[in-house]
Amino acid sequence: DAKTTQPPSMDCAEGRAANLPCNHSTISGNEYVYWYRQIHSQGPQYIIHGLKNNETNEMASLIITEDRKSSTLILPHATLRDTAVYYCIVRANNYGQNFVFGPGTRLSALP
Amino acid sequence: EPEVTQTPSHQVTQMGQEVILRCVPISNHLYFYWYRQILGQKVEFLVSFYNNEISEKSEIFDDQFSVERPDGSNFTLKIRSTKLEDSAMYFCASGGIYEQYFGPGTRLTVT
Repeated sequence: DAKTTQPPSMDCAEGRAANLPCNHSTISGNEYVYWYRQIHSQGPQYIIHGLKNNETNEMASLIITEDRKSSTLILPHATLRDTAVYYCIVRANNYGQNFVFGPGTRLSALP
Repeated sequence: EPEVTQTPSHQVTQMGQEVILRCVPISNHLYFYWYRQILGQKVEFLVSFYNNEISEKSEIFDDQFSVERPDGSNFTLKIRSTKLEDSAMYFCASGGIYEQYFGPGTRLTVT
């Protein structure tokens, strides 16, 4: 079973920041937080990952709380193309370790 | 930018027939995976593969399934005798110690 809890759905206005929360209260010290998204029936797309520090790349920012029990994915300027299901996954970085996908958050970017 | 490719994009087969789904992982990756997603359901892990052998498999990956890396580039999933419940999107992924990159998927329809 997935070790994370996410809201089932969220809306955001196009051009505004989208903040997607994730709870992972049972995260272990060696587990990273990963975010993926899936647009319609396409393959999951990697967004970002982090251990304890905040991370930023060209797609998004990841804010992890100091106790590591929750995190927020931030899409700084949401567009209609960001409409997708977003998955928050915790995983240890052992070679060959698979990802366990939960139901995710369905984000709808609205014009 | 390198990407995982999969063929065919859509495969229709009759119950009881054998199918082979093909994947070309990203060239410098060492770990390969198959996942599936039944319509409307979560992405589920099937199997991981490293150094020419299975490193981990799920309960779904029974004796009807097999994987192979027949040459230096292809990675295949074979279903020996398809069942109606095998109808799903099948995603190949490749990666290293951190993120995995997913292909666009093969939609398998068993009639």
